[in-house]
Amino acid sequence: DQQVKQNSPSLSVQEGRISILNCDYTNSMFDYFLWYKKYPAEGPTFLISISSIKDKNEDGRFTVFLNKSAKHLSLHIVPSQPGDSAVYFCAASNLGGGADGLTFGKGTHLIIQP
Amino acid sequence: ETGVTQSPTHLIKTRGQQVTLRCSSQSGHNTVSWYQQALGQGPQFIFQYYREEENGRGNFPPRFSGLQFPNYSSELNVNALELDDSALYLCASSPELAGALHEQFFGPGTRLTVL
Repeated sequence: DQQVKQNSPSLSVQEGRISILNCDYTNSMFDYFLWYKKYPAEGPTFLISISSIKDKNEDGRFTVFLNKSAKHLSLHIVPSQPGDSAVYFCAASNLGGGADGLTFGKGTHLIIQP
Repeated sequence: ETGVTQSPTHLIKTRGQQVTLRCSSQSGHNTVSWYQQALGQGPQFIFQYYREEENGRGNFPPRFSGLQFPNYSSELNVNALELDDSALYLCASSPELAGALHEQFFGPGTRLTVL
């Protein structure tokens, strides 16, 4: 049973436009959410995170929005750049029970077209 | 500052064999987590070690075991390999426990193929 779902396996966006990646979760115990970016032959790298007590967190071109009632979060990248082409993983955690590790979605392959 | 390193990069084993994968955590990090990433899937949590003790475990059978050493490097051991164990194995280190989960730094992974 997938507790973190990324329903779009791939997304193609034109350079300079906004990229929106979506993620849904089912476990109401999750209280901390993260986005990781992964290039081929590299490990995932941390991008941005958000605590469940917030509904928005911004870091430069990256903004994460959290809708707790809908159990939905999204990552906005604006403007999109060619170097943003990668696989993006949404991950969730229950900080109070942090030893469970991170629960990841299957990832969305973002392709930025020139 | 050296990042997380893993060895070997690639490994081929046959069903029933045993394998040991190694991870050197980032300098100053005392927590190591291991993940299995099957093709087309996201990483799945295997277990976590903190100060040489297993601190938590995902839904993996006991034939997946680990160690953490005094220098905080770690090993993942898998016994009685099965075909479904073929995957990318990722190691991640962090400076502390749950409070710093966002600071999990991943290595490049070991690609294990079981024939």
